[in-house]
Amino acid sequence: QLEIQESGPGLVKPSETLSLTCTVSGGSISSSGSSWVWIRQPPGKGLEWIGNFSYSGDTNFNPSLKSRLTLSVDTSKNQFSLNLDSVTVADSAVYYCARTIRGYYYAMDVWGQGTTVTVSS
Amino acid sequence: EIFLTQSPGTLSLSPGERATLSCRASQIVTSSYLAWFQQRPGQAPRLLIYGASYRAAGVPDRFSGSGSGTDFTLTISRLEPEDFAVYYCQQYVQSPWTFGQGTKVEIK
Repeated sequence: QLEIQESGPGLVKPSETLSLTCTVSGGSISSSGSSWVWIRQPPGKGLEWIGNFSYSGDTNFNPSLKSRLTLSVDTSKNQFSLNLDSVTVADSAVYYCARTIRGYYYAMDVWGQGTTVTVSS
Repeated sequence: EIFLTQSPGTLSLSPGERATLSCRASQIVTSSYLAWFQQRPGQAPRLLIYGASYRAAGVPDRFSGSGSGTDFTLTISRLEPEDFAVYYCQQYVQSPWTFGQGTKVEIK
């Protein structure tokens, strides 16, 4: 059974770079027919799509974050990562990783438990 | 950008009752790329419905999805205690992927 686990610093200072990693177990990050997604949820609010990529190289970013966002993958570790530059308090949120799969019309069928990020000095 | 508007914002019902949740899109959404998620407090979202009407594995058959074009519906035929949660619709036919603001189903 595929599982995803987010990890990150928990607390980031304003103007710094937020770095998060998702580790995939029980399956390969490079399998065809899957893509990998970042979602976030500010405290008490709804869900916001950050971006997604597939191993084949297709990458999409939320335009509202694109200028500050870098997504990368390390297939040797079965991990993918997010870097968000110049963070502000508005970037405080629970950050989730998820998988999409062709068999579910590329809906997000597996989610990590989320990691809470607070931006504060 | 496709905006999704969910209604009502809050639905107050008793266990055993039927819940009908609406999701309206600002543009036509191909049914294949419309999903519904359930989120319980302190938990990650869980996929319930994909392709507007297909249940994900392990989802009870009291959950059903329907609709096409700009109007989609999630129906819970008989509410169980564990169904009281927030529900989100989501489209991924067009970037940026977007979610509705959520409907909270609470115990009356």
